[in-house]
Amino acid sequence: AQSVTQLDSHVSVSEGTPVLLRCNYSSSYSPSLFWYVQHPNKGLQLLLKYTSAATLVKGINGFEAEFKKSETSFHLTKPSAHMSDAAEYFCVVSDRGGSQGNLIFGKGTKLSVKP
Amino acid sequence: DGGITQSPKYLFRKEGQNVTLSCEQNLNHDAMYWYRQDPGQGLRLIYYSQIVNDFQKGDIAEGYSVSREKKESFPLTVTSAQKNPTAFYLCASKEGTGTYNSPLHFGNGTRLTVT
Repeated sequence: AQSVTQLDSHVSVSEGTPVLLRCNYSSSYSPSLFWYVQHPNKGLQLLLKYTSAATLVKGINGFEAEFKKSETSFHLTKPSAHMSDAAEYFCVVSDRGGSQGNLIFGKGTKLSVKP
Repeated sequence: DGGITQSPKYLFRKEGQNVTLSCEQNLNHDAMYWYRQDPGQGLRLIYYSQIVNDFQKGDIAEGYSVSREKKESFPLTVTSAQKNPTAFYLCASKEGTGTYNSPLHFGNGTRLTVT
């Protein structure tokens, strides 16, 4: 069975400092993993995806994530936060054994960026 | 530009009334989804459809109904049987019916308020 855990419900950083949003997953198969961003009252936008190619995945807006099978993690990072990064971020897992439309969402991490 | 259009953006209804939320996509995607989002609970799957004239219940289908008469359209009706309908509703689509590594594409959501 699939599952995904976002380890922090809220992360606060200062502008210009690094961002780390943590995600652990569970999957019985080789999973696909996604990170989405949601700004207030908007839909979700895909930041990046891992689908069994390179383990370090680069996404939009300077974000990247590293797939670590041994740690069952897919943490999202950015070297320097910008005010516009303030939003909610969702980690999503999918594998061929899943039902419910194949995708499982984490509960989200709200990122605040202080000036 | 291809995308998903949800309308209206804001919807207000009196308790006891049915209301239908529109979702249209021009991405030529086979699969479409409806999610409900409440603060702190992430996204919960209501219904999904992998092909025209077929759909499956998600985790919280009670009090909701859908139809899929056309590939492009997947309207959601919130019925008077839904006990707590006030929420943010998100429609999504993805290509393929068994492709677990395809990302979801989201609309910008409809915020429904029932008083």
